[in-house]
Amino acid sequence: DTEVTQTPKHLVMGMTNKKSLKCEQHMGHRAMYWYKQKAKKPPELMFVYSYEKLSINESVPSRFSPECPNSSLLNLHLHALQPEDSALYLCASSRGQGLLADQPQHFGDGTRLSIL
Amino acid sequence: SQQGEEDPQALSIQEGENATMNCSYKTSINNLQWYRQNSGRGLVHLILIRSNEREKHSGRLRVTLDTSKKSSSLLITASRAADTASYFCATALQAPNYGGSQGNLIFGKGTKLSVKP
Repeated sequence: DTEVTQTPKHLVMGMTNKKSLKCEQHMGHRAMYWYKQKAKKPPELMFVYSYEKLSINESVPSRFSPECPNSSLLNLHLHALQPEDSALYLCASSRGQGLLADQPQHFGDGTRLSIL
Repeated sequence: SQQGEEDPQALSIQEGENATMNCSYKTSINNLQWYRQNSGRGLVHLILIRSNEREKHSGRLRVTLDTSKKSSSLLITASRAADTASYFCATALQAPNYGGSQGNLIFGKGTKLSVKP
C-alpha cells in the first residue's frame, strides 16, 4: 500500500474529452509533483507544487492543467489530449522543496491513461 | 534532459547472488537517490546519499558515491526473486546560488533487474 493515493487507476478517453486525475496524500508534505512515464522509460517531471503554489512547469503543453486545491490534494486536468499523451501519470510528494529537498519522494501507483 | 545514466540496462542473476548497478551523471549534485519500480506500480524510495557522503547502507543495500567521477553504484546483496524490478538513480541538482538542491529530481534510464529463483 502506498501513502499517496491516485485515482482513477486506469482512464481511457477520447481526444475531445475533458477528464481529471486526482492525487491525495496525508503525510503533511508540502511539495507535490506530477510525472509522466512512458513504457520502459524513466519518469519525466511535469509540474512541481510547493506550499500549494506552482513552482516548476517543465514546458508542459497547455492541454495539461495542474491544480492544487489544498496541501493534501493535487489534480491534473486533461483536455484535448493527443494519442502520444498515453502514458502512466505518477504523483509524488515530499516534505518540502528547495533547501528542504534532500528528502525522498513518495509515489502513488499512477493512473494509466490511454487516449483513443 | 537526461542527467543519470545507469548501466547495465538489464541484469539477470540467480537468487542469492549479488547485483550491482551503476549510475553516472553530468553536473554537480546535492544528493543522489535510488528508487525501485515494480511492474505497473509507482516508484519506491530506497536510499538517499548526499554529496558529502561516500557510502551508505540500508539492510541488503549498499550505495557508494564518487563525486570526482560523478558516479554511484547500488549493490543488492543476497538477492531474492522479490527484488525483480527496475531500479532508477535520480539526482537532485545543486542550486547555483546556495548550498541546497534545486528541488526537482532527474531520473536516469534505469536498470531492469531479473532475479531467477
